[in-house]
Amino acid sequence: AQSVTQLGSHVSVSEGALVLLRCNYSSSVPPYLFWYVQYPNQGLQLLLKYTTGATLVKGINGFEAEFKKSETSFHLTKPSAHMSDAAEYFCAVINTGGFKTIFGAGTRLFVKA
Amino acid sequence: DAGVTQSPTHLIKTRGQQVTLRCSPISGHKSVSWYQQVLGQGPQFIFQYYEKEERGRGNFPDRFSARQFPNYSSELNVNALLLGDSALYLCASSLSTGTAQETQYFGPGTRLLVL
Repeated sequence: AQSVTQLGSHVSVSEGALVLLRCNYSSSVPPYLFWYVQYPNQGLQLLLKYTTGATLVKGINGFEAEFKKSETSFHLTKPSAHMSDAAEYFCAVINTGGFKTIFGAGTRLFVKA
Repeated sequence: DAGVTQSPTHLIKTRGQQVTLRCSPISGHKSVSWYQQVLGQGPQFIFQYYEKEERGRGNFPDRFSARQFPNYSSELNVNALLLGDSALYLCASSLSTGTAQETQYFGPGTRLLVL
């Protein structure tokens, strides 16, 4: 069965600093991996996804993530944090049947001025 | 184009009552999925419907049911509400069965409070 673990329920960075949000997955089949962002009182928005092909995936708002099979990781990064990046971020994997997205517990990102 | 819409935005019920939540997918999308997001946790999959048929079900009790209409809108029903049903209920739509190659688009959610 697939599962996702996000390391760190809260991450705080200064504006302009590197953002690194960690995600490890467990899957018995080649995984399809996602990062979503959720702003307060809103639904989820897809940042990026990995299905096949290039392991470095670029998403919206300057975010990117690298699929590392040997480390079973899919960490999210952004070179320079903006105040507007403050939100909840969810890593997710899709199940083998392709109909259920399994989410991690989320990481809340705080950006300090 | 309008995104996924959900109604109502907020709802307060008491234990034992029943609730119906509604979702309208993006025009042209035929698949709707429902998720429950308890405060401080990630969303948990409840159902997926495609072409009016249930394609997947999560680990939720039979008190939870759903249906999809010919216009692809969907309703989620929860009977005999418990305090633990308090959560944000999210609806997501996609073109077909939500395979990995497709993007799910989420609505803003319905926040349910059970007292």
